[in-house]
Amino acid sequence: AQSVTQLGSHVSVSEGALVLLRCNYSSSVPPYLFWYVQYPNQGLQLLLKYTTGATLVKGINGFEAEFKKSETSFHLTKPSAHMSDAAEYFCAVSAIVPGGSYIPTFGRGTSLIVHP
Amino acid sequence: ETGVTQTPRHLVMGMTNKKSLKCEQHLGHNAMYWYKQSAKKPLELMFVYNFKEQTENNSVPSRFSPECPNSSHLFLHLHTLQPEDSALYLCASSQASQTNYGYTFGSGTRLTVV
Repeated sequence: AQSVTQLGSHVSVSEGALVLLRCNYSSSVPPYLFWYVQYPNQGLQLLLKYTTGATLVKGINGFEAEFKKSETSFHLTKPSAHMSDAAEYFCAVSAIVPGGSYIPTFGRGTSLIVHP
Repeated sequence: ETGVTQTPRHLVMGMTNKKSLKCEQHLGHNAMYWYKQSAKKPLELMFVYNFKEQTENNSVPSRFSPECPNSSHLFLHLHTLQPEDSALYLCASSQASQTNYGYTFGSGTRLTVV
């Protein structure tokens, strides 16, 4: 079984400050890891993903995340927050299970609030 | 049109009504999904279709009935819903053999049951 824990349902930062959204996962097999962003009244949009290879992955809008196997973490960062980054962020883990299906498990989400 | 399109965007229905949600994808994907997003709850996977065949049904009540007539269209038929079914219903698609690419989501249907 796989699971995702996002620490903090809300994260508040000032515009221009570092953004750090935490995600820890558990998986019995090598995982694929994703971050999605959801703006108000919208669906989820893929921000970035880790499958294999380089553990530091870059995504859209200046976001990046680092896969740390020893810590079972995949934290999302952005050096400088912008007002337009205010949204809900979801971490997801996907792994192949018996039967051959890849079904992702999503975290509860973290709401990013950006203050002027 | 491109991406995943869901209609209607908003729906208010009584508990005795019957309605349907529609999802259409123009990405050439062959797997489609229904998710339920409720406030303060994790995203809940409801149904999975691979190549038009239902492969997952996560103990969803029978008042929700999916239909996938082809790999581009997905419906969710609703009848005798309860107020607790009010939520945002999201459709997603992917290339079944390449789910490491992630999902493409529609904008959702905001359902209110009165």
